[in-house]
Amino acid sequence: DGGITQSPKYLFRKEGQNVTLSCEQNLNHDAMYWYRQDPGQGLRLIYYSQIVNDFQKGDIAEGYSVSREKKESFPLTVTSAQKNPTAFYLCASSKPPPGQSTRGEQFFGPGTRLTVL
Amino acid sequence: GNSVTQMEGPVTLSEEAFLTINCTYTATGYPSLFWYVQYPGEGLQLLLKATKADDKGSNKGFEATYRKETTSFHLEKGSVQVSDSAVYFCALSGFAGASKIIFGSGTRLSIRP
Repeated sequence: DGGITQSPKYLFRKEGQNVTLSCEQNLNHDAMYWYRQDPGQGLRLIYYSQIVNDFQKGDIAEGYSVSREKKESFPLTVTSAQKNPTAFYLCASSKPPPGQSTRGEQFFGPGTRLTVL
Repeated sequence: GNSVTQMEGPVTLSEEAFLTINCTYTATGYPSLFWYVQYPGEGLQLLLKATKADDKGSNKGFEATYRKETTSFHLEKGSVQVSDSAVYFCALSGFAGASKIIFGSGTRLSIRP
């Protein structure tokens, strides 16, 4: 079955440590996204990538980094510079029609809940 | 700028009640509009969508009509069930010059048996 996988589902980190969240998709989608969701809040865009080896900052990129070496994978690293990293992280993907901005829907993974101890 | 405003929650209804969750938007160009649903501890799932004015999206008894004259995309269901309890997000994409989706803040819906 095609879909998006995120691992792990729960992640615990000590203060001062970097941690990498995995996101893999087998939908053959070009674009991938990372969002952060805090309790009772909406989604905030961290980073997005429309093609391999290219990515753009979203609204809250500080303290995060990404890479896009393969079409299927878009890992997110939460660095020690992120002051309040405890949150629910969602990865998504979409396949914009050629020549258009994102008009199609995004497909979401199940999320990773990160807790800093 | 481009934005989505949706009804604040939480919304609590009895089973079989009629549901409306309001959503209005501001956008340049001709956006596509979506409703997503999020069940506790899970990611978002697309509930329905509409890509042009006067389109009606529908799924699982939910409906929403793309109203360009009122810049609205209100979500409705005639008879809700306990299993509809979730957070609902209105979203838009495809506005001029952009390549991402803008989400509303979400509306938490609780259905009493």
